[in-house]
Amino acid sequence: QQQVKQSPQSLIVQKGGIPIINCAYENTAFDYFPWYQQFPGKGPALLIAIRPDVSEKKEGRFTISFNKSAKQFSLHIMDSQPGDSATYFCAASRSNDYKLSFGAGTTVTVRA
Amino acid sequence: ETGVTQSPTHLIKTRGQQVTLRCSSQSGHNTVSWYQQALGQGPQFIFQYYREEENGRGNFPPRFSGLQFPNYSSELNVNALELDDSALYLCASSLVDLDGYTFGSGTRLTVV
Repeated sequence: QQQVKQSPQSLIVQKGGIPIINCAYENTAFDYFPWYQQFPGKGPALLIAIRPDVSEKKEGRFTISFNKSAKQFSLHIMDSQPGDSATYFCAASRSNDYKLSFGAGTTVTVRA
Repeated sequence: ETGVTQSPTHLIKTRGQQVTLRCSSQSGHNTVSWYQQALGQGPQFIFQYYREEENGRGNFPPRFSGLQFPNYSSELNVNALELDDSALYLCASSLVDLDGYTFGSGTRLTVV
């Protein structure tokens, strides 16, 4: 069964827009929530990660929002650029466990 | 640091054959995990090795097996290949925690 559900499957924004990707999880034992960026022909690369003790984390143009009670978290890409066009995966894990459960991915296209 | 390298990059095998995929972990990383990523899906955890011992396994049959060597390189072996085994196989390594989890670019396996 899929432990992390991700939506939407794909989205297209104009340069400067703010794509938002949402994820929901079921396992309350999860306490580590990373986002990965994957370009064609490459492996996933860690973008940003959050733990449940904070509700928001920003790194450059990327922001994670976390809602522990709703078991949901989301990624916002501020001032998106064509170079941000990629597939984004949310994931979840327990801190003492290297087994990541991934969402199905969102393909983001940023048009110039 | 040299990153995580995987070989070969592409491979075509016939149903019923056996295949060995190789991974060279990032320097100093003592934990390695393998994931299967089907086309258009998120990576699925196969298993993890720590200090040459299997340390966690996902929902994959026994014909998926692995090895980790003293130099922290690793192999994924798949016996009796099936058409559904066609996927991108990713290796990831880490030293201490999930923030340092680094993926290789993967091996694209096609079973015909």
